[in-house]
Amino acid sequence: QVTLKESGPALVKPTQTLTLTCTFSGFSLSTSGVRVSWIRQPPGRALEWLAHIDWDGDKFYSTSLKTRLNISKDTSKNHVVLSMTNMDPEDTGTYYCARIGYSGSFDFWGQGTLVTVSS
Amino acid sequence: DIQLTQSPSSLSASVGDRVTITCRASQSISNYLNWYQQRPGKAPKLLIYGASDLHSGVPSRFSGSGSGTDFTLTIDTLQPEDFATYYCQQSYIIPRTFGQGTKLEMK
Repeated sequence: QVTLKESGPALVKPTQTLTLTCTFSGFSLSTSGVRVSWIRQPPGRALEWLAHIDWDGDKFYSTSLKTRLNISKDTSKNHVVLSMTNMDPEDTGTYYCARIGYSGSFDFWGQGTLVTVSS
Repeated sequence: DIQLTQSPSSLSASVGDRVTITCRASQSISNYLNWYQQRPGKAPKLLIYGASDLHSGVPSRFSGSGSGTDFTLTIDTLQPEDFATYYCQQSYIIPRTFGQGTKLEMK
């Protein structure tokens, strides 16, 4: 059974760095072809892809956010970590991690974690 | 970046209706188009991948079609649990992008 769960702070101050952890089970990021992504959703708005990391350590980022993002993995702990620097109130929203499946689709999602950026 | 434009942005329908949602890509994406359903306060769920393949466990009243730049999601015989927001997403190229969503409301 594939599960993913996001964890991290619910509130961060402007200019701070956000660090989120995705803890997953039911698959291994050391298996060829496996990838995990981060996606976010501001309140009442559409989904926005942020980044993904491959089983072999390759990393890919959103064009508009790549200077602020870093994605990493700890295969032994079944963790994928996303950090985002210089947080702004516009970054408020629900952050999801998801496994990438057939045809590059996001086949399994975590429940999401709401992050509010406010002083 | 590839832009995905969904139409309509919102749609009113009744239980038992057949509805179609369209997604148009700003350039050809072959069949690398996926559809998701999101209920309020919940994470999105994958419905269709590769434009027309049904994800495991998804009811057969959901179907997808299209290739290149024009895609459709069809829901036959709407059920009460189908009233939600639907998103398309392209997996042809990085960066991945989503459509703006279509909110399906009960008439």
